[in-house]
Amino acid sequence: SAVISQKPSRDICQRGTSLTIQCQVDSQVTMMFWYRQQPGQSLTLIATANQGSEATYESGFVIDKFPISRPNLTFSTLTVSNMSPEDSSIYLCSGSHNEQFFGPGTRLTVL
Amino acid sequence: GESVGLHLPTLSVQEGDNSIINCAYSNSASDYFIWYKQESGKGPQFIIDIRSNMDKRQGQRVTVLLNKTVKHLSLQIAATQPGDSAVYFCAENGRGTYKYIFGTGTRLKVLA
Repeated sequence: SAVISQKPSRDICQRGTSLTIQCQVDSQVTMMFWYRQQPGQSLTLIATANQGSEATYESGFVIDKFPISRPNLTFSTLTVSNMSPEDSSIYLCSGSHNEQFFGPGTRLTVL
Repeated sequence: GESVGLHLPTLSVQEGDNSIINCAYSNSASDYFIWYKQESGKGPQFIIDIRSNMDKRQGQRVTVLLNKTVKHLSLQIAATQPGDSAVYFCAENGRGTYKYIFGTGTRLKVLA
């Protein structure tokens, strides 16, 4: 399986600011996804990152709050905009060929 | 460490015993299932998968059982080791879709 890296691994941010998380895969993948995992909970899909076009968002997530880019088949970014403490979570990037594999996550704390 | 699994159901197993982790999936149309292991501070790691045309699949020390009648999936870990301590998630994928739906997760705690 491919290896996914994320940057930053963690951050502490102030309310009202934005953070961009980068996801890099070491090989080309068909699909890339962004998930949120709140403390003690399961994974919730935010959106599918589409190469060269707008991301496909799940119910409850909107582009203005979570803009996503995917300029090629190995890289994607997720921005968490105008952050509030409720956005404190782990954000996970995943890639998929046949099976789906995950990055290590970005732990975000918003004060 | 990470707080993943803090509020999840916990299964405590003695080292060397077998573990059985259960999952009820939601969509009768799902045709592909994966078990993931998530250790503290890490992303989920693929363990084993199974397609809906099978009811059992074995890996190294792990077995997945699928009961489509009752929409139930289980992960059996033989001779559980301390390194097996983690949170385990099942995920389902529907035919013709690319999205995975994750179960609520179970924290496995291995007692020495």
